[in-house]
Amino acid sequence: EDQVTQSPEALRLQEGESSSLNCSYTVSGLRGLFWYRQDPGKGPEFLFTLYSAGEEKEKERLKATLTKKESFLHITAPKPEDSATYLCAVQELYGGATNKLIFGTGTLLAVQP
Amino acid sequence: DADVTQTPRNRITKTGKRIMLECSQTKGHDRMYWYRQDPGLGLRLIYYSFDVKDINKGEISDGYSVSRQAQAKFSLSLESAIPNQTALYFCATSDSQGRGYTFGSGTRLTVV
Repeated sequence: EDQVTQSPEALRLQEGESSSLNCSYTVSGLRGLFWYRQDPGKGPEFLFTLYSAGEEKEKERLKATLTKKESFLHITAPKPEDSATYLCAVQELYGGATNKLIFGTGTLLAVQP
Repeated sequence: DADVTQTPRNRITKTGKRIMLECSQTKGHDRMYWYRQDPGLGLRLIYYSFDVKDINKGEISDGYSVSRQAQAKFSLSLESAIPNQTALYFCATSDSQGRGYTFGSGTRLTVV
């Protein structure tokens, strides 16, 4: 069964304290791995899509990497405004035409000043 | 204007009532989706539509129905709401290759 597991469930950092969030996945074939940011009461906001192992993408203080079994979202010198829930989702290569996303349950990040 | 607009943003309804959640998108995408989010469970797919004439059930479609009124409009209905349908509901859209996946701001539905 296809699965996406995110860890940790919650993470508290001091401003400037770098860390990484993990997303491990099990799918028969990966079409793409997505990272979203979600603020309370709002919809997921797209951050990155990664398509193949070894791929990396960066945006401001965030850097996403991908291997054959997992993805990491590295947060460098975070600021309080980076506080949010970070969601990981995978899209199956052999999922037919659905194009549905299989989501993990997210990591709640709190960055304290 | 937002690429994907959902209305209402919040709704409280009583058990047994019929309710419709609406979604419109300006991305020009053919594919639209309805997801439900519950604490600790992540987002789960309710229904998806490839175009106006092609609608498909997702993994948790029981108790829900949908209507694709136009390429840009996709509504979700709860025919007879029950308390365990209390959740956050998100509409999303993508192109035919599953790219450009964009979500709306969500509807918080409470069934009492």
